[in-house]
Amino acid sequence: DAGVTQSPTHLIKTRGQQVTLRCSPKSGHDTVSWYQQALGQGPQFIFQYYEEEERQRGNFPDRFSGHQFPNYSSELNVNALLLGDSALYLCASSPIAGGSYEQYFGPGTRLTVT
Amino acid sequence: AQSVTQLDSHVSVSEGTPVLLRCNYSSSYSPSLFWYVQHPNKGLQLLLKYTSAATLVKGINGFEAEFKKSETSFHLTKPSAHMSDAAEYFCVVSLLPGGTSYGKLTFGQGTILTVHP
Repeated sequence: DAGVTQSPTHLIKTRGQQVTLRCSPKSGHDTVSWYQQALGQGPQFIFQYYEEEERQRGNFPDRFSGHQFPNYSSELNVNALLLGDSALYLCASSPIAGGSYEQYFGPGTRLTVT
Repeated sequence: AQSVTQLDSHVSVSEGTPVLLRCNYSSSYSPSLFWYVQHPNKGLQLLLKYTSAATLVKGINGFEAEFKKSETSFHLTKPSAHMSDAAEYFCVVSLLPGGTSYGKLTFGQGTILTVHP
């Protein structure tokens, strides 16, 4: 049973560019959340997708947007990249049923903005 | 609103001695609480979870945590540290359904555990 997968593993972009990160949830999971983890910090919640809609959003600007596809996979898009967007981006999936709301994390995408 | 405070940014122990990582939480509603571990250059792995059932929760690799509502604490312990336990540990809070932050995980700042031979 495959866990949460993310691509690419590493990415280097230039300030002002746009980037798309991808995530496939764990089998049987239909909810995907994205987190940003800056160096030396705990992960910060960006947003969560369920039924192809953004259900909840953290304190991130509109430059951060996402999408969920019918197969539950998800994309995170960041426009007009800033140096401060350099971080590890983590995707997590969870089943909507069950009640425990634990989330399973992928290995992350390391984004470096130069 | 929900928040988590991890009281120690670094903890250092000798192999074979007990581990205690401290966490206090703040939540307006009944919370779910979790401990995750992150090894260098790896993703986050769930160690254990509390979701309003038994207050003493057992997790993987010999870790356990006790939910104390009166103290708003959820400290992580292990009787005997192993070298492989060296990693960063995150205390995490989420709200059960009915809370306004349903589904969102709020992480503490992390505690780096060092294990000496």
